[in-house]
Amino acid sequence: ETGVTQTPRHLVMGMTNKKSLKCEQHLGHNAMYWYKQSAKKPLELMFVYSLEERVENNSVPSRFSPECPNSSHLFLHLHTLQPEDSALYLCASSQGTTNTGELFFGEGSRLTVL
Amino acid sequence: KQEVTQIPAALSVPEGENLVLNCSFTDSAIYNLQWFRQDPGKGLTSLLLIQSSQREQTSGRLNASLDKSSGRSTLYIAASQPGDSATYLCAVPNYGQNFVFGPGTRLSVLP
Repeated sequence: ETGVTQTPRHLVMGMTNKKSLKCEQHLGHNAMYWYKQSAKKPLELMFVYSLEERVENNSVPSRFSPECPNSSHLFLHLHTLQPEDSALYLCASSQGTTNTGELFFGEGSRLTVL
Repeated sequence: KQEVTQIPAALSVPEGENLVLNCSFTDSAIYNLQWFRQDPGKGLTSLLLIQSSQREQTSGRLNASLDKSSGRSTLYIAASQPGDSATYLCAVPNYGQNFVFGPGTRLSVLP
């Protein structure tokens, strides 16, 4: 596989469930990102990991918990979400320790919270 | 704080037309600017990356220009096709390791 792969592509969960989104990049990049895209709103940065360390946490509620076990994998653990958390969650990667590299995105995980 | 706007918000053109999409940013101290394409319900596909030292970048029928001093970039699409229908977004680096995205231009190319 090449590029950035996200699973699952679609997820429906109740407010009391616990689930995880997974992202894997095959580009040899050292930075990975989670973005949230809600209807009619610009992309919002959630988290950035550089060299497996979290470098950005953009005031995200604690019900979203990221994990970066290595430079190729990124997870977003979800628990006790709210209906307003329903959105497209996009993972991206880039090369470099600053935001000078080209961003590459996965296909996204469409999350619906009932 | 970096802010990015895109004009127009939506555009509908007949097939074959040449068109221009606009992106404006408030802080001109940027390393680069990137244009993306997004199909409905899908992720973003990188189209062009312009470094701050470049004035333009070309890929096939796409040409992107960058004017840092005026805080503007344009994406020119030549001989548009129905397959070009999508939302086009621009993004610039912000403080730290963040990128700020514009709201996008939704393009429809009619056969």
